[in-house]
Amino acid sequence: QVQLQESGPGLVKTSETLSLTCNVSAGSMRSYCWNWIRQSPEKGLEWIGYVCYSGNTNYNPSLKSRVTISIDTSKNQFSLKLSSVTAADTALYYCARWFEEWRAFDIWGQGTMVTVSS
Amino acid sequence: EIVLTQSPGALSLSPGERATLSCRASQSVDSNHLGWYQQKPGQAPRLLIYGASNRATGIPDRFSGSGSGTDFTLTIRRLEPEDFAVYYCQQYVTSPLTFGPGTKVDI
Repeated sequence: QVQLQESGPGLVKTSETLSLTCNVSAGSMRSYCWNWIRQSPEKGLEWIGYVCYSGNTNYNPSLKSRVTISIDTSKNQFSLKLSSVTAADTALYYCARWFEEWRAFDIWGQGTMVTVSS
Repeated sequence: EIVLTQSPGALSLSPGERATLSCRASQSVDSNHLGWYQQKPGQAPRLLIYGASNRATGIPDRFSGSGSGTDFTLTIRRLEPEDFAVYYCQQYVTSPLTFGPGTKVDI
């Protein structure tokens, strides 16, 4: 069974860039799109964007100017970069696999908490 | 952006009772693009229902989904103790993909 595991700093300074990586184990990244989703009490679950195995990306317009999601298939991982962070970016960040046939997220990581503070 | 509204915000029930959760979309959603998730404290969301009415792998048949257009329903036929959680609906007809605010089912 495919498993996802997020990693990265738990604390990021205001105005800097948040960087997270999601490691995909026990399975191939081929034929899927790989997503970042965050959750906060203020905004609930918020989709950030995805990168597909092909390299295609799609981002939430509300974050598009600050987001880059990339994939490294040789390492079986994908990454999130969110620039110019503020306290509003403090959230629990999840990576998740999009299963196109179901049009749903069928596998999620456990999540990693990121706090933005000066 | 399609906004999803869930009601009620919270539902207090007892084990064995039936739970009916509503998800309403701000515009019509193809039922193939509507999913439901369950989230327990300290855990990631778990897919329950895809395509509005199809149970994901390993999901008990006490969970069922229905609806079309702008109105969708998740029904839990007889609540088990492990079903007390928060439930979210999600759509991806058009970008951005959006989630509802959730319905908390508690005792």
